[in-house]
Amino acid sequence: EDKVVQSPLSLVVHEGDTVTLNCSYEVTNFRSLLWYKQEKKAPTFLFMLTSSGIEKKSGRLSSILDKKELFSILNITATQTGDSAIYLCAVEARTETSYDKVIFGPGTSLSVIP
Amino acid sequence: SAVISQKPSRDICQRGTSLTIQCQVDSQVTMMFWYRQQPGQSLTLIATANQGSEATYESGFVIDKFPISRPNLTFSTLTVSNMSPEDSSIYLCSTRVNTEAFFGQGTRLTVV
Repeated sequence: EDKVVQSPLSLVVHEGDTVTLNCSYEVTNFRSLLWYKQEKKAPTFLFMLTSSGIEKKSGRLSSILDKKELFSILNITATQTGDSAIYLCAVEARTETSYDKVIFGPGTSLSVIP
Repeated sequence: SAVISQKPSRDICQRGTSLTIQCQVDSQVTMMFWYRQQPGQSLTLIATANQGSEATYESGFVIDKFPISRPNLTFSTLTVSNMSPEDSSIYLCSTRVNTEAFFGQGTRLTVV
């Protein structure tokens, strides 16, 4: 059965700290790994990773994928209170009926305190 | 990109009733996905809706409980039928455009 595991499930840090969020997966017919930030209801897209070893970067956020170890990390440097959110890792997989479905992990709840 | 308008944004419903959630996309898209997010949990895929064919439901979800319509390439609805308090969740529709996923604003449903 396809699954996505994230750790830690929750994290409290002080402003300015650097955090690393982990995501591991087991899926059949992997297509891509996606990171989202969820503050209220709808997640907002952060990164899509398809190739191993290529870091994606956006401001203070960066992410990398290891397809051999079935693992990805999301780094946030110099955290700010506005980074407080749930970070969702998701994996897109091709199904037997040839459409892509997305399986979400449980999320990491990050709280950044001043 | 795609902008999805989802409504209602929230509702409180009596048990035993049904609620239909609508999602309108500002462009034509092939697949639309419906998710549920129960309190404190991650997103769970309910079903995938392809225009012109019956929706494909994930394990644990059935058409009688969550009927879906997909009358054209820009619109879809999800109905939560015969609601019980356990159906209290956030419901989200989503689609893909090229490599990126887009979500509606979500519907927060409370069943009392």
